Amino acid sequence: DAGITQSPRHKVTETGTPVTLRCHQTENHRYMYWYRQDPGHGLRLIHYSYGVKDTDKGEVSDGYSVSRSKTEDFLLTLESATSSQTSVYFCAIPGQGDTGANVLTFGAGSRLTVL
Amino acid sequence: QKEVEQDPGPLSVPEGAIVSLNCTYSNSAFQYFMWYRQYSRKGPELLMYTYSSGNKEDGRFTAQVDKSSKYISLFIRDSQPSDSATYLCAMSALEAGANSKLTFGKGITLSVRP
Repeated sequence: DAGITQSPRHKVTETGTPVTLRCHQTENHRYMYWYRQDPGHGLRLIHYSYGVKDTDKGEVSDGYSVSRSKTEDFLLTLESATSSQTSVYFCAIPGQGDTGANVLTFGAGSRLTVL
Repeated sequence: QKEVEQDPGPLSVPEGAIVSLNCTYSNSAFQYFMWYRQYSRKGPELLMYTYSSGNKEDGRFTAQVDKSSKYISLFIRDSQPSDSATYLCAMSALEAGANSKLTFGKGITLSVRP
């Protein structure tokens, strides 16, 4: 997980409360991504960013918002958490070793439980 | 039909077995093919990366891509208990330096019995 850290790593919250997950990178990449991983669904893209203040939706963006005020930080917010948002959330940045930008390097994940 | 289909699991094999993991896809624009390995409660890590068709070997691991059949495979020779993990295939249509949005298979959990 060198170069990319997520916080918090674990969170339990109640339905209806706001939640913000943080992704921090030290690689100075333009692109950053938020995925969620659920049994039977694999990894699905929530939102991504292609620069400071530039973001776009992925395939499962409903109920989520993101912000990127600095290159190094990409925040994922659940305005009013629901039980269906119980999941493991992964942040990712492009590149790993000599493979270039076509692959992603993932953070360690943030495990969110919404009761 | 989902863009990427991966064999359902879980899969359990004895130590030393040859393992074959497969994915099929429907989007002919995919050019970059990856296999990620994910240990329990960890993030996915890149295992193999292939561009276009052909084979790529790295130690006990071989990745194959057949674009004409829209089919990719990962072979693990002499499987070890340390290979026990979830394996995800992933694909991308775009070139290096561009948006690296990947499409993932659902993943298959492999257990190698000592």
